[in-house]
Amino acid sequence: NAGVMQNPRHLVRRRGQEARLRCSPMKGHSHVYWYRQLPEEGLKFMVYLQKENIIDESGMPKERFSAEFPKEGPSILRIQQVVRGDSAAYFCASSPSLGGGSEQFFGPGTRLTVL
Amino acid sequence: AQRVTQPEKLLSVFKGAPVELKCNYSYSGSPELFWYVQYSRQRLQLLLRHISRESIKGFTADLNKGETSFHLKKPFAQEEDSAMYYCALSGGGNYGQNFVFGPGTRLSVLP
Repeated sequence: NAGVMQNPRHLVRRRGQEARLRCSPMKGHSHVYWYRQLPEEGLKFMVYLQKENIIDESGMPKERFSAEFPKEGPSILRIQQVVRGDSAAYFCASSPSLGGGSEQFFGPGTRLTVL
Repeated sequence: AQRVTQPEKLLSVFKGAPVELKCNYSYSGSPELFWYVQYSRQRLQLLLRHISRESIKGFTADLNKGETSFHLKKPFAQEEDSAMYYCALSGGGNYGQNFVFGPGTRLSVLP
């Protein structure tokens, strides 16, 4: 089991461009979480998804950010019209089951730099 | 609402000294508490969880429901313990899936 995969590991975008971050959960995991880590700050929850469903997006900015987890393929976090403040590390985690107490397994993160 | 606080942003100790990273939580139900660690340039990984009651790399944490705390302790710190530590709580939400992380404490173990 290769663990949670994220790509790209590093992404550079100019202001106004779109950023697409991909996350492949661990085999057998159907729950995906996205977190953002701003420089010198802690981890902030963004969104929780199951296959084809957004369960909780309370941590997502209302504009420019969207997430999906299609039936086939990786989960995608999309940031439209990026701004410098979007520069951060974005982590994806997956868990195997529903309910409290399920450990989350983290990917290596995607470091987004907006020029 | 569930919340996790870690009052210390940075904690520096000398090698061989005891270390305690504080974590307090607020949650109305029965929480599951975790400690995650992020070493430099590595991914976040689970260090320990309260339900397993185990010691990992010499670290232990006891859930104190009266004080709503889950402090992480190690009697003798090592330089390789230097990392970012996150306390996390699982529970709540419509499906009990919400995972809330504290802001993190950066532990620096000095030689």
